Amino acid sequence: QVQLVQSGAEVKKPGASVKVSCKASGYTFTSFDINWVRQATGQGLEWMGWMNPNSGNTGYAQKFQGRVTMTRNTSKSTAYMEVSSLRSDDTAMYYCARVGYNLLPDYWGQGTLVTVSS
Amino acid sequence: DIQMTQSPSSLSASVGDRVTITCRASQGISNFLAWYQQKPGKVPKLLIYAASALQLGVPSRFSGSGSGTEFTLTISSLQPEDVATFYCQKYNSAPLTFGPGTKVDIK
Repeated sequence: QVQLVQSGAEVKKPGASVKVSCKASGYTFTSFDINWVRQATGQGLEWMGWMNPNSGNTGYAQKFQGRVTMTRNTSKSTAYMEVSSLRSDDTAMYYCARVGYNLLPDYWGQGTLVTVSS
Repeated sequence: DIQMTQSPSSLSASVGDRVTITCRASQGISNFLAWYQQKPGKVPKLLIYAASALQLGVPSRFSGSGSGTEFTLTISSLQPEDVATFYCQKYNSAPLTFGPGTKVDIK
């Protein structure tokens, strides 16, 4: 069965970086794009960007360009999302999601809570 | 970038009521509009794609309509398990912006 398993919760100081991993199983990792979405506590969903695991091509929401980097390791069937220069308003649950045949997320990771606090 | 809005931001209705949520795009997006349901502490669940296509396994009391810039999600008979926040999302092109959400609870 398709599963996306994300890395554990992180606590970071302002200005630091965080790298969240998303390990895929149950399907061919390079055949489906990965989206990253975040959600601050009690707030709405925010689409961050996409990555094609086959080519490594990426696209980011303008808000995150220059501060977010999405990469992958195909031998490990794992996608990564790194946020640099962390601020307190980056405190959120970060989700990876596989993009299915209808161009929308069909499987989601369990989420990774990133807390930015001094 | 295209902006997405939703109305109302929250609503309270009785079990069995018909509930309608509206999503508007600042520019036309054809029918590239999806609806998600998110319950507290859970990941979003896809309900509707292509504005009106019901995702496999989703109860038929959920329906979607619209195209261009105005879309609606209708719950024909609200059930207690439908308490959640509902989001629309455009996916015609990046960025795949979500609407701000509509919180639905039981009166």
